Amino acid sequence: EDQVTQSPEALRLQEGESSSLNCSYTVSGLRGLFWYRQDPGKGPEFLFTLYSAGEEKEKERLKATLTKKESFLHITAPKPEDSATYLCAVHRGAQKLVFGQGTRLTINP
Amino acid sequence: DADVTQTPRNRITKTGKRIMLECSQTKGHDRMYWYRQDPGLGLRLIYYSFDVKDINKGEISDGYSVSRQAQAKFSLSLESAIPNQTALYFCATSEASSYEQYFGPGTRLTVT
Repeated sequence: EDQVTQSPEALRLQEGESSSLNCSYTVSGLRGLFWYRQDPGKGPEFLFTLYSAGEEKEKERLKATLTKKESFLHITAPKPEDSATYLCAVHRGAQKLVFGQGTRLTINP
Repeated sequence: DADVTQTPRNRITKTGKRIMLECSQTKGHDRMYWYRQDPGLGLRLIYYSFDVKDINKGEISDGYSVSRQAQAKFSLSLESAIPNQTALYFCATSEASSYEQYFGPGTRLTVT
């Protein structure tokens, strides 16, 4: 059965303190791994798609990387506006995504 | 204007009532999806549609039905609402050539 596990469940950082979020997955024939950002009371906002091991994508202070078993979302010198829940999802065919439960990130000023 | 809109944004209803949630999109995408989000359970797929004549069940379709009225419109109905259907409901869209899904702002549904 396809599974996506995100860790930690919650992470609290000081402004400027870099860290990484983890997304571990088990899926046969990965067709894509996706990162989303979700603010309270809003819909998930698409960030990145990664398709193959070794691939990296960057956007402002965020960088996503992919291996054969997991993906990391690296946050460099975060700011309070980076506070959100970050969701990971894998594509399991027929355009159906399987989502992890998310990591709730809080950046304190 | 938002590319994916959902109405209503908030709804409180009573057990046994029928309720419809609506989703409209201006992205021109063929594929549309309905998810629910519960604390601790993440996002789960209810139904999805690849075009107007194509409707498919997701992992938690029991108690729900959908209608794809047009390429841009996809509605979710709860025929007889029950309290454990209290959740955040999201509509999403995607192009046929891409796996990336784009979400609406959500509907917060409370069944009392």
